[in-house]
Amino acid sequence: QSALTQPASVSGSPGQSITISCIGTSSDVGGYRYVSWYQQYPGKAPKIMIYDVSNRPSGVSDRFSGSKSGNTASLTISGLQAEDEADYYCSAYTSSSTLLFGGGTKVTVL
Amino acid sequence: EEQLVESGGGLVQPGGSLRLSCAASGFTFSSQSMSWVRQAPGKGLEWISYISRSTSLTIYYADSVKGRFTISRDNAKNSLYLQMNSLRYEDTAIYYCAREYISYFDLWGRGTLVTVSS
Repeated sequence: QSALTQPASVSGSPGQSITISCIGTSSDVGGYRYVSWYQQYPGKAPKIMIYDVSNRPSGVSDRFSGSKSGNTASLTISGLQAEDEADYYCSAYTSSSTLLFGGGTKVTVL
Repeated sequence: EEQLVESGGGLVQPGGSLRLSCAASGFTFSSQSMSWVRQAPGKGLEWISYISRSTSLTIYYADSVKGRFTISRDNAKNSLYLQMNSLRYEDTAIYYCAREYISYFDLWGRGTLVTVSS
């Protein structure tokens, strides 16, 4: 199975909002609510930011939000801050009982 | 403190084998489903295998490792394993173990590097 499709990079100025898309199929993103988003800093392990499309784990800033429409999930970061500069990965469970990650999006704060 | 610590990585020749371990502490390991996720140098994350908690062992593999890798666990030792056989250059990556909480990975180890090279 191919990875979910994410833009390679997204950038924004401090205070702006950015949105990262994650395109899958009806067998993964579109078929289930089990879409998650992870943040990863260089040399570090990933950290969960959003689960089940739009839920934030305790401790994650409410500047992070998630949504889904059809086969496309999205992560929005509002009020962009320097600390948000990192790689972001979406993931989705599939009809084959496997898990797919997106290719990752590098977020740059200008 | 809840923690996962991977070990067993290293340099191996193509066609060789390696066994990774993941030691869990600070939580009830037997009650948690676990997965292995890898990341090739400079590349994205790739889920490779899942094992359910102890009550009924369900196992899944990504197509890229099916038939070559075997996931297992020893709840008495609070440990997760990944036996990797017939290793290929493209298996070079940092291998993370991750705890699954309902539908996402809520705890990750720091990873162990596997390098397949002649």
